[in-house]
This record gives sequence, C-alpha cells and structure tokens, in this order.
Amino acid sequence: AQSVTQLGSHVSVSEGALVLLRCNYSSSVPPYLFWYVQYPNQGLQLLLKYTTGATLVKGINGFEAEFKKSETSFHLTKPSAHMSDAAEYFCAALFGNEKLTFGTGTRLTIIP
Amino acid sequence: DAGITQSPRHKVTETGTPVTLRCHQTENHRYMYWYRQDPGHGLRLIHYSYGVKDTDKGEVSDGYSVSRSKTEDFLLTLESATSSQTSVYFCAISDLVRFRDGYTFGSGTRLTVV
Repeated sequence: AQSVTQLGSHVSVSEGALVLLRCNYSSSVPPYLFWYVQYPNQGLQLLLKYTTGATLVKGINGFEAEFKKSETSFHLTKPSAHMSDAAEYFCAALFGNEKLTFGTGTRLTIIP
Repeated sequence: DAGITQSPRHKVTETGTPVTLRCHQTENHRYMYWYRQDPGHGLRLIHYSYGVKDTDKGEVSDGYSVSRSKTEDFLLTLESATSSQTSVYFCAISDLVRFRDGYTFGSGTRLTVV
C-alpha cells in the first residue's frame, strides 16, 4: 500500500544547530511530495514541494529538501535552527490521484 | 488563509447530538477535502468532493456525511456525535490544474464531544 512514514514523532535541536526531519514514502512510482508546517492553533502551511525536475528543492524560512528516488526519501533540512522554527511538520505525498496522504507528523522543539 | 474559512472555530457538543461543520472557499477550486487531525495519526481523510454533488469517502468516513450543493461550500455532518470524534477538523481545497501546488488549508475547527 502507498504510504508516508516520518521517523521520529519528536525532534529536539539546539538553536543554531542543523535541523533534519525524515520522510520516506512507499510507492513503485515516485509521487509528488510536500512538506507542511503547522504552528500552534493554526492550519497547515506549505513549506516546499517536489514534483519533477531538480531533486533539491528550496522552500520558505530557509528550509530545503532533497528527493532521493533510490532511497524513497524526502528529508527536510535547515542548516541553522531558529526559535521560530518550533512547530509540527508534516510530510505528504500525492500518489497519482487527487488525495494527499500524510505522515504522522514530527514535532520540532528548539532548545535555547 | 483568506480564500478558505471554517466555521465554527471551536465547538463543544454532547454525545448523540448532530453537528455540522462548514467550509467556505472563495477560490472557485473544484476539489474540497475534510481531514481530521489526532495525535499520533497525523491527518486522515474523512471525505472529499470533486465537484458539486460529487463526493467520495476517505479512510475514516464512518459516522460522517458530507454535502456540497455549491462550489464554495462543503459541509461535514456528524449524524450522532461520539467521544471518539473529538478532534481538530481541517478543510482543504485544491485545483485540478494545479494539483502539484498541493492543498490550501483552513484554520481548523476544534470539536469536543462530551
């Protein structure tokens, strides 16, 4: 079955440290891939997306993600964490139909 | 987002009562979706619509019904609310032409069933 897996429901990093949030998908055909961010008591906001073309995609707030077909992965990174990055992050995939499939989310905590 | 609004934002209701949540869009998008968000489960699709009067079930549709009589409105009804339906509900919209842009989400409705 097609699915999205996020490793680590909670990730803590120090301010200024590298942020790495992991996402893997299960599908024989590479899907469109998305990262969304959710700040407390808000809806989801699109951070970045991969559809076709360049496998390293840049998004808002200094985040980027790299699509690796061989690893079926789409990990999210940011070189230097900021306190304002504290939020929940969701990876999602569009597997060729009209419906996004979400991972279970990763809550990012930034340690001052 | 300015183009999609959900109402109410918060609701407390009693077990066994019917509840209707509303999603309204001003983007004229064809597709509309209802998700629920629960800790440890991420977002799970309840129902979606691909046009006026055209709807289909998602992965967690039991106990929910939907209606779409106008392009701009998508209603989610809990026929007889249960405590397991306590959740945050999100509506989303997307456009057939711009699927690769992903969805636009509303701000959510926090529903508590007591």
